[in-house]
Amino acid sequence: GEDVEQSLFLSVREGDSSVINCTYTDSSSTYLYWYKQEPGAGLQLLTYIFSNMDMKQDQRLTVLLNKKDKHLSLRIADTQTGDSAIYFCAEIFNDYKLSFGAGTTVTVRA
Amino acid sequence: NAGVTQTPKFQVLKTGQSMTLQCAQDMNHEYMSWYRQDPGMGLRLIHYSVGAGITDQGEVPNGYNVSRSTTEDFPLRLLSAAPSQTSVYFCASSPTDIDENYGYTFGSGTRLTVV
Repeated sequence: GEDVEQSLFLSVREGDSSVINCTYTDSSSTYLYWYKQEPGAGLQLLTYIFSNMDMKQDQRLTVLLNKKDKHLSLRIADTQTGDSAIYFCAEIFNDYKLSFGAGTTVTVRA
Repeated sequence: NAGVTQTPKFQVLKTGQSMTLQCAQDMNHEYMSWYRQDPGMGLRLIHYSVGAGITDQGEVPNGYNVSRSTTEDFPLRLLSAAPSQTSVYFCASSPTDIDENYGYTFGSGTRLTVV
């Protein structure tokens, strides 16, 4: 199957910025997504970016898309303890299927 | 508006038993899918459906069956449970209209242990 790759762990100090990186596989993906999963919960759509965009900003979240390198990143400004979670990068294929990365566990330390 | 509802939340099965994981959505979404989540492996697609009466296999379909008799419901059946099926199972739905960005809505998951 297709592989979306992302680093597994990130530790960040409270108040600093977090940057989570992802590489995807299909240059024809229409949308790319970031999902957040808190302990014991399902996945929550955090933000998304359309493939014809380079950047999208939504409050503390900034998504950057480099289509040439198939690289997607999520920046969280002023990281808070409530941002501790697993973050999944995902891309969409034909038939509306989403392919997910393994998830990046973000730990926010005081 | 309940979104995607999964039942049960927890289940313990003995090897060889069968069971059905239920999934229902009330958003009139055409697309529904089942994923399993295992540590370090992200989410892997088991089966999916693009509408009532239509189902197809994902990347890990062996040992599972699905049906889609209505738009709202998409049950996942384990035919003969094996310890390798111990996992967390998520159901998700989405519209198929590009203007709605295909954003998936996930259920809260079913934690299944096979002993």
